[in-house]
Parts: sequence; C-alpha cells; structure tokens
Amino acid sequence: DIVMTQTPLSLSVIPGQPASISCTSSQSLLYGDGKTYLCWFLQKAGQPPQLLIYEVSKRFSGVPDRFSGTGSGTDFTLRISRVEAEDVGVYYCMQGLLLPHTFGGGTKVEIK
Amino acid sequence: EVRLVGSGGDLVQPGGSLRVSCAASGFTFSGFWMHWVRQAPGKGLAWISSINTDGSTTNYADSVKGRFTISRDNAKNTLSLQMNSLRAEDTAVYYCARGGRTFDYWGQGTQVTVSS
Repeated sequence: DIVMTQTPLSLSVIPGQPASISCTSSQSLLYGDGKTYLCWFLQKAGQPPQLLIYEVSKRFSGVPDRFSGTGSGTDFTLRISRVEAEDVGVYYCMQGLLLPHTFGGGTKVEIK
Repeated sequence: EVRLVGSGGDLVQPGGSLRVSCAASGFTFSGFWMHWVRQAPGKGLAWISSINTDGSTTNYADSVKGRFTISRDNAKNTLSLQMNSLRAEDTAVYYCARGGRTFDYWGQGTQVTVSS
C-alpha cells in the first residue's frame, strides 16, 4: 500500500497569515495518463470531508483562490495564502493512484 | 445539485450484520465509480470499498474483505454496503463518496456502532 505522511500534525495560525502543509507519498503518484493523483480535503468539525484540490494543483469548484497545491512525484504541499477563521479543521491528503486509496494522517489547523 | 444521503447506521452487537445505504441525486449515478470511506471515533479517514459504474468490479480493504459487500442499483440511484460479522473495530462513521481517483462529493455519513 502507498503510505501518505503529512506534516505537521497541527498548526496554529494568526488570521491573515499564510499556512503550509506537506504530504509525502511512499511512491510516485504519477500515472500513465500524465496526471498525478494527489488531492487535498478539509474536514470541518462534524462535517464530511470536502474536496479542495485535485490532481496536485487544480482547485475544485467553489474553493477560494487562497488555497493552492503544488508538488510532483512524491512530495506535495497545500498552501493557504491568508488563513481565515472558516479554514479551521483537519486537512487530509489522499492518493488516488492505486487501490487501496490511502490518506495522510491529517493536519489540524486552528486559529491563534 | 449533487446530493449523497447516507442511511442505515445503527447500534449492532458484535458478530451481527447491518446494511447501510447512500441515495444519490443531482447527477447521472450510473456514470460514476462510488466508494465507502470510514472514520473511527477521533481517527482519520480510511477507504474501505469501491465499485465501478455497472457494479461488475468491486474492491475492498483487507480489514473488511470477506465480511463486507458493496453493491449498487443504478435504476434506484442507490449505493449499499452489506456488513457482516461486525467487530468492535468497525465502529465508525461511514461515508459514501463519488468519483474514480478523486472523491469530489461526499455524503454526510451514517454512524455504525458495534457494541454489546
């Protein structure tokens, strides 16, 4: 199975400041179709996960442009340019390359 | 509007069975792979099963293989998960999710508790 490792485990951010979360996979997520199947989710308290970013850097419909994803191969980063109060929750990366699809352990983001 | 509405969660005894379902609307259900993902109390997300568009291909995590069965009824726009031989460690919120390699929409989850 592909192991997904997220850092840090938690993050406390001042509103308006940037935040960054890293995700590393145990093998390359580049598929034969040229796409890299890494996505990011945000799970707010008491809610299901919501898709933020797919294929490393594509923002899902309705996701604010303060969220961006970068990376390639095995190393990926989610950046929030200016954290807002509504961004609190747990962020997960997930690989969609191979079954079983696997998730990172999560990064809890809170407002300082 | 895409909607996925989970149902069927309950309290069940160890060794018991339960069927959870997910009703889909707002999109062409038969055109999408579907998945079940679960989240144990205070823990992260774990993929457990997937099914292709016509139901001919299914996949399972090792933790549920042989005990759980995923199925779909494209005429009724419904995804199901039959869970047998339930264990305490199966206690979780069960989410259905749409998509192939990206899970773009999720249901609100249904709680399954396995306890005597």
